[in-house]
Amino acid sequence: AAGVIQSPRHLIKEKRETATLKCYPIPRHDTVYWYQQGPGQDPQFLISFYEKMQSDKGSIPDRFSAQQFSDYHSELNMSSLELGDSALYFCASSLTSGRPPYEQYFGPGTRLTVT
Amino acid sequence: QKEVEQDPGPLSVPEGAIVSLNCTYSNSAFQYFMWYRQYSRKGPELLMYTYSSGNKEDGRFTAQVDKSSKYISLFIRDSQPSDSATYLCAMIERNNAGNMLTFGGGTRLMVKP
Repeated sequence: AAGVIQSPRHLIKEKRETATLKCYPIPRHDTVYWYQQGPGQDPQFLISFYEKMQSDKGSIPDRFSAQQFSDYHSELNMSSLELGDSALYFCASSLTSGRPPYEQYFGPGTRLTVT
Repeated sequence: QKEVEQDPGPLSVPEGAIVSLNCTYSNSAFQYFMWYRQYSRKGPELLMYTYSSGNKEDGRFTAQVDKSSKYISLFIRDSQPSDSATYLCAMIERNNAGNMLTFGGGTRLMVKP
């Protein structure tokens, strides 16, 4: 079965640079979520989109922005990168319309290292 | 204090043992309860979900929810070395438009052959 695809899988950036992470949800899924997982920590919710509209916002820094496109893929844009942004970034997707909210499926993650 | 608390472990058990993993929570608005398994450097994998108090069984796994005590558990029977991973509980609030997951810190489980 098709899964959530994330690219790139690994990314190395220097401080103050920008980064763009991409997420391709499971086909027919209408909702995308972004989570950040620091070393030894649990995933923290950043932001979510339903039908291309932002549906919820968590602890996402103002330096980050995200959007969902007409084909439902999503991009997380990160600017003025800081060392503390080094983490695993997960995208998850779900089919929300008429479905229970707990069936969120995670991608393999993008490991961002800021040097 | 975190909304969802989970003992980080590590929890080390011999192969074939019954494993009990637990989470407590403080937010009474949590309505949906999930367990995820995460292997090192991989994305969380949904194992089980439930939204009512009581037990739910799926193969070797049983999820238990006690809303009155704000306590959830995951039991793994006949544990295998391949069960070695970090187990994360996660919850969603009732009527949360965005369906954001709030995770516990995860418990690292090691099953020794």
